[in-house]
Amino acid sequence: EPEVTQTPSHQVTQMGQEVILRCVPISNHLYFYWYRQILGQKVEFLVSFYNNEISEKSEIFDDQFSVERPDGSNFTLKIRSTKLEDSAMYFCASRTDSYNEQFFGPGTRLTVL
Amino acid sequence: KNEVEQSPQNLTAQEGEFITINCSYSVGISALHWLQQHPGGGIVSLFMLSSGKKKHGRLIATINIQEKHSSLHITASHPRDSAVYICAVRSKGGGATNKLIFGTGTLLAVQP
Repeated sequence: EPEVTQTPSHQVTQMGQEVILRCVPISNHLYFYWYRQILGQKVEFLVSFYNNEISEKSEIFDDQFSVERPDGSNFTLKIRSTKLEDSAMYFCASRTDSYNEQFFGPGTRLTVL
Repeated sequence: KNEVEQSPQNLTAQEGEFITINCSYSVGISALHWLQQHPGGGIVSLFMLSSGKKKHGRLIATINIQEKHSSLHITASHPRDSAVYICAVRSKGGGATNKLIFGTGTLLAVQP
């Protein structure tokens, strides 16, 4: 069964460093998402991406964040200068069309020291 | 105030018990999702509902659109059902977004 994959599973970085989190959505999916879950808190929406552009972003998704679909298969989330409060589990999700469920990747645990 | 509220926050049950987890929401929605999150962190979709009731194995999900309420039931619970169960709604008129708004989750522990 097709699945969303994410790499790495765990990333440790120093504050101020740039990180890129990678996702490979399911191949025929058209809509892509990043969500974040800080330890002990609920999952929060970061950004959605469709037709090679951001369709919506949350207040969390400030200028330090960017997303890209560089090659038609990967979907990346870049954090330019990480802060301690960026430590969280980051989930990628994808879906086919407007009314279908989202499929989640296994997550990347980001630890900023 | 959270747009999606779940109750209870924590639930401990004995193996074999019937379990109900509730979800109330305050926004207009196009669909409601029940998700399962295991200790490793991965999220698995259990159900997507826009009306009525769905059943999959020992899991049953119902939704009442007028009352803005959904329930997830687990029959004959088993220790392997232990996980966090999350309710998430897809708001209406999301256009190309259809982002999910998540509840805080219910931590279920089923004891043998």
